[in-house]
Amino acid sequence: ETGVTQTPRHLVMGMTNKKSLKCEQHLGHNAMYWYKQSAKKPLELMFVYSLEERVENNSVPSRFSPECPNSSHLFLHLHTLQPEDSALYLCASSQDWGRRNSPLHFGNGTRLTVT
Amino acid sequence: GESVGLHLPTLSVQEGDNSIINCAYSNSASDYFIWYKQESGKGPQFIIDIRSNMDKRQGQRVTVLLNKTVKHLSLQIAATQPGDSAVYFCISGGGADGLTFGKGTHLIIQP
Repeated sequence: ETGVTQTPRHLVMGMTNKKSLKCEQHLGHNAMYWYKQSAKKPLELMFVYSLEERVENNSVPSRFSPECPNSSHLFLHLHTLQPEDSALYLCASSQDWGRRNSPLHFGNGTRLTVT
Repeated sequence: GESVGLHLPTLSVQEGDNSIINCAYSNSASDYFIWYKQESGKGPQFIIDIRSNMDKRQGQRVTVLLNKTVKHLSLQIAATQPGDSAVYFCISGGGADGLTFGKGTHLIIQP
């Protein structure tokens, strides 16, 4: 167990569907993150939440909508996705955002396929 | 964020040999470094970290060496095993600076 749990592990959705990815961390951390990992590309930071407030949004299309109801849970709501959005979506947490010596703890990701 | 680069995208080693994965960074003010390991189908996992006031740090079968003079660090894995097969990332900075990942080095273990 990594301490960060993501569900579902796999998701196949059509371009007109609406779905949500869920992340839960059991580490007592204050910061949570969404990353996208596409084949042959580096991890791309999508969103950062610190104490339930969004602190960073790296020019992500509006068809991706994050939600952080509390410091332990993070969601990524998906709608009207494109096939190029197919990727591994990783959630991570850290003790505090912006704190040095604060490694990221990742979940095992949701493998998303958009058809 | 800090620019860090791994020297080789792929490294192939024989099982039982030692592996050395290299990484270079550009910001001489960087004072904290992290190595992550990502196995197939999993998220990256923290392996070991090192602060700039140290030259060497050892974990279980892994050693990280930091050379601040040439802005280089390496991850050494002793007696490489099949379970070491993964992509390895070095990250500089930690905190908000430590959120940028490169492409990593894919370590392949030959039987």
